[in-house]
Amino acid sequence: QKEVEQDPGPLSVPEGAIVSLNCTYSNSAFQYFMWYRQYSRKGPELLMYTYSSGNKEDGRFTAQVDKSSKYISLFIRDSQPSDSATYLCAMSAGSNYQLIWGAGTKLIIKP
Amino acid sequence: EAGVAQSPRYKIIEKRQSVAFWCNPISGHATLYWYQQILGQGPKLLIQFQNNGVVDDSQLPKDRFSAERLKGVDSTLKIQPAKLEDSAVYLCASSFGGSFYNEQFFGPGTRLTVL
Repeated sequence: QKEVEQDPGPLSVPEGAIVSLNCTYSNSAFQYFMWYRQYSRKGPELLMYTYSSGNKEDGRFTAQVDKSSKYISLFIRDSQPSDSATYLCAMSAGSNYQLIWGAGTKLIIKP
Repeated sequence: EAGVAQSPRYKIIEKRQSVAFWCNPISGHATLYWYQQILGQGPKLLIQFQNNGVVDDSQLPKDRFSAERLKGVDSTLKIQPAKLEDSAVYLCASSFGGSFYNEQFFGPGTRLTVL
């Protein structure tokens, strides 16, 4: 079993829809959580990070962590075709610990 | 501000050949990472440098992979000899420090195909 599981998709939604992307994990020691976006033929870029449980909002993006369920989510409101990319979650047990990555979910926003 | 530079962008070699990748991090970034991203998977850390020193190389296949960071700036990653399963994108990233709170900035990657 992988430490971090992520549905590979693709997830295809119409423009303007609310998108929900999720990761589950098995290591209860994880407490630092990140979401990255990766466009085709590019390196990942950081979208958001959160520490421990709770919600964090940044513009159209909201990150949510539920440590009791070992489940994290990224919500995208008013989705745009430019949001079409692969979204990767990453997490670590400590601030100086190695990041453990999910495989990524491919998102397609249809105009 | 210039981003992380990597070269070459693409490389095709035959198995048992050797190959080298180069990375130039963002100026002033002390921490440099090499990741391997196999198609359909997330990045896997191969090695992390803090200035000249190695912080973590626990997942580097040391029988065939080597990396160095001379003068604490540029870095090279070498594979010798290459195997079919080394086909992947090799990503270089840099950050100001090694903490979670120091954002990692990624280069575009080098796509390696081993035939």
